[in-house]
Amino acid sequence: NAGVTQTPKFQVLKTGQSMTLQCAQDMNHNSMYWYRQDPGMGLRLIYYSASEGTTDKGEVPNGYNVSRLNKREFSLRLESAAPSQTSVYFCASSESLGGLGEKLFFGSGTQLSVL
Amino acid sequence: GQQVMQIPQYQHVQEGEDFTTYCNSSTTLSNIQWYKQRPGGHPVFLIQLVKSGEVKKQKRLTFQFGEAKKNSSLHITATQTTDVGTYFCAGPRGSARQLTFGSGTQLTVLP
Repeated sequence: NAGVTQTPKFQVLKTGQSMTLQCAQDMNHNSMYWYRQDPGMGLRLIYYSASEGTTDKGEVPNGYNVSRLNKREFSLRLESAAPSQTSVYFCASSESLGGLGEKLFFGSGTQLSVL
Repeated sequence: GQQVMQIPQYQHVQEGEDFTTYCNSSTTLSNIQWYKQRPGGHPVFLIQLVKSGEVKKQKRLTFQFGEAKKNSSLHITATQTTDVGTYFCAGPRGSARQLTFGSGTQLTVLP
């Protein structure tokens, strides 16, 4: 099993350009997530999808859109990139820990620089 | 909104010394999770605590959940170079799927 696969691993954009980060999981998980990680700030939730066909905003959704294409795939789109979106982006999926929590499985991350 | 504070931000220890990181929430948590991220890697789930006063051990790692379920700690006994990385705590914000992560403690182990 590959787990959670993200592409690309690295990307450089100019301000105003658009791009889509792709994510796929092969663990048959219902829930998927997009986080961003900035130095000294931990991980912040951008959007999540509790199940196929649903998406919800997280802590920092502005400037992003998502698509839950099917159960396996969850993409993150930046319509007009800004330097403030320079970050490392992690996709994750989760399995239930028996009602009180979800165990997250993370992809290897995408390092995005916006110039 | 809910905040999860983690201290210290950085910790350097000599190999063999103990290490502790602390996590404090502004609100009562239904559960708390801990993750480890190796340099250049991605976060990996370590454990979840759900009960007030709960203590769990994984080899040299001891995890505690406070009585009031607003704080937690991770203690590593006799650190090894393999313990290097950033340790994050995380608690649910609203639903179980909205985790709020602490800012992490970056552990360096000097050989």
